[in-house]
Amino acid sequence: DQQVKQNSPSLSVQEGRISILNCDYTNSMFDYFLWYKKYPAEGPTFLISISSIKDKNEDGRFTVFLNKSAKHLSLHIVPSQPGDSAVYFCAASESGNTPLVFGKGTRLSVIA
Amino acid sequence: DTGVSQNPRHKITKRGQNVTFRCDPISEHNRLYWYRQTLGQGPEFLTYFQNEAQLEKSRLLSDRFSAERPKGSFSTLEIQRTEQGDSAMYLCASSLAREQFFGPGTRLTVL
Repeated sequence: DQQVKQNSPSLSVQEGRISILNCDYTNSMFDYFLWYKKYPAEGPTFLISISSIKDKNEDGRFTVFLNKSAKHLSLHIVPSQPGDSAVYFCAASESGNTPLVFGKGTRLSVIA
Repeated sequence: DTGVSQNPRHKITKRGQNVTFRCDPISEHNRLYWYRQTLGQGPEFLTYFQNEAQLEKSRLLSDRFSAERPKGSFSTLEIQRTEQGDSAMYLCASSLAREQFFGPGTRLTVL
């Protein structure tokens, strides 16, 4: 049973527009959520995180929104750039520094 | 470079052979994690250490897999009697807080 779900395997966006990547979770014990970006043949790179006590966290072009009642989070990238083309993983963890549970990823293609 | 490093980056082996991977975490990080990623999937947790203590093992970690972190510094992951199903990217991550930072991974191919 997948506890973290990314239902869109892929997304294409025009350069300069907004990219919205979605993630749903089922485990109500998750209290910390992270987004990672991954290029081929490299390890995941940490992008941004959010604690369950917040509903929004922003870092430059990246904003993560958390809707606890819907068990849903999203990553917004504005404006999208060709270098943002990668696979994006949503991950979650329970309290404490516990292992991360990842979704299957969404491949973002930003078209110039 | 002060990030997480992993060696080797690539390993090709024949079925039945033993392999060992090494991970060097970010120096001040006390937690070290091993994950495995196969095609089309997200990373899946294998095991983790706090300092030298192995705190948790996933059910994915069969008895052919063993991990160590002597002296709470680098870690090794050994796979004995490799099988074709072990072919995957093996990722190491380290952390001091909630964010985990990943190394480049070791790509294992079992022929």
